[in-house]
Amino acid sequence: GAGVSQSPSNKVTEKGKDVELRCDPISGHTALYWYRQSLGQGLEFLIYFQGNSAPDKSGLPSDRFSAERTGGSVSTLTIQRTQQEDSAVYLCASSLGQGINSPLHFGNGTRLTVT
Amino acid sequence: GESVGLHLPTLSVQEGDNSIINCAYSNSASDYFIWYKQESGKGPQFIIDIRSNMDKRQGQRVTVLLNKTVKHLSLQIAATQPGDSAVYFCAETSAGGTSYGKLTFGQGTILTVHP
Repeated sequence: GAGVSQSPSNKVTEKGKDVELRCDPISGHTALYWYRQSLGQGLEFLIYFQGNSAPDKSGLPSDRFSAERTGGSVSTLTIQRTQQEDSAVYLCASSLGQGINSPLHFGNGTRLTVT
Repeated sequence: GESVGLHLPTLSVQEGDNSIINCAYSNSASDYFIWYKQESGKGPQFIIDIRSNMDKRQGQRVTVLLNKTVKHLSLQIAATQPGDSAVYFCAETSAGGTSYGKLTFGQGTILTVHP
């Protein structure tokens, strides 16, 4: 079956522009996560969705970052007024649930470069 | 804050050798640990996990050891193959968080297997 799909795979944008990153989780997975991977900070948690609700947004670095999930499926991570420090690989993961027996399945990420 | 870290950033081995990748964690409340493998251009891939009520768990060619006394985790790969070359991350989480999918990752170890 299909895994977690992310688009675009690469995005180059100018500083100050807004970007939207998309994640299609594995069908039937109720939990969805966004992580960011950068050279300086490693892999960092951003936000967690259970269904369409986000009970944990604690990892979002600033109010320029937001995310939504619709229909319990597709999620979009939006970064407004991008800055160079936003350059990173943004990874999406999904799991069947939030419990201990629900390992995360990661997509291949969107590599964002802010020039 | 709490963190998970790795002792060695790089490990180089010969094909057929056994590999050991180490990880130290500092959050004594962590009760679930996972090892991920990440190949270039791809998202992290689940390898093996272990709960805090265990000290050893075996998979196919891989074994994870957990020493809660010294807060240490290791991944052993038997008969390492060139296809095992990747970055390996340990991650930890706990029941006290919003979800077991909210992971704190270590910095990663680059494993290179020479034919």
